[in-house]
Amino acid sequence: TQLLEQSPQFLSIQEGENLTVYCNSSSVFSSLQWYRQEPGEGPVLLVTVVTGGEVKKLKRLTFQFGDARKDSSLHITAAQPGDTGLYLCAGARVHGSSNTGKLIFGQGTTLQVKP
Amino acid sequence: DTAVSQTPKYLVTQMGNDKSIKCEQNLGHDTMYWYKQDSKKFLKIMFSYNNKELIINETVPNRFSPKSPDKAHLNLHINSLELGDSAVYFCASSQMNTGELFFGEGSRLTVL
Repeated sequence: TQLLEQSPQFLSIQEGENLTVYCNSSSVFSSLQWYRQEPGEGPVLLVTVVTGGEVKKLKRLTFQFGDARKDSSLHITAAQPGDTGLYLCAGARVHGSSNTGKLIFGQGTTLQVKP
Repeated sequence: DTAVSQTPKYLVTQMGNDKSIKCEQNLGHDTMYWYKQDSKKFLKIMFSYNNKELIINETVPNRFSPKSPDKAHLNLHINSLELGDSAVYFCASSQMNTGELFFGEGSRLTVL
């Protein structure tokens, strides 16, 4: 069962365009993280959102956590070729009062930004 | 300095062989993980160790055996390799209270 659905799975755009990637679930998460992975490398953490409705900005990237903590979005303004990569969302499940450290990953969004 | 390093980066081997992947982290984290990334780029947790103690063991065949000699090292040994084991295996570490993962560069395993 895929607990975190990312959309779109593939996105190819021109430099300068804006885009939004969505991460949706029917489950509640205690926090949600976004990672970017480049070919031949491991994922690198971009941001963690914890509070429902939280918005975080990282230069041209804006991350939002849904009010109910079941979904998140990543918006990129004026995309650059350097933004090309695989974007992964990952949610931390709530298990009573304990944090097992287990993250559930979405299936990823492959972004290609053409010059 | 590499924060999470794993070796080897590439492994090509025959079905039925046994192989190991090693991982070390110099971040002082208390938790280490093995993840498997399949051909569709889906990342799935396999194991997690906290201070050398196994805390997460997903439904992984018992041909896979992790070992953590100390909290900075987590190795993965795979017996009797099968074609379906071909994937990229990522080691990661975190502080348990943050859950924010730092990944190694991955070890691409190809079973022929």
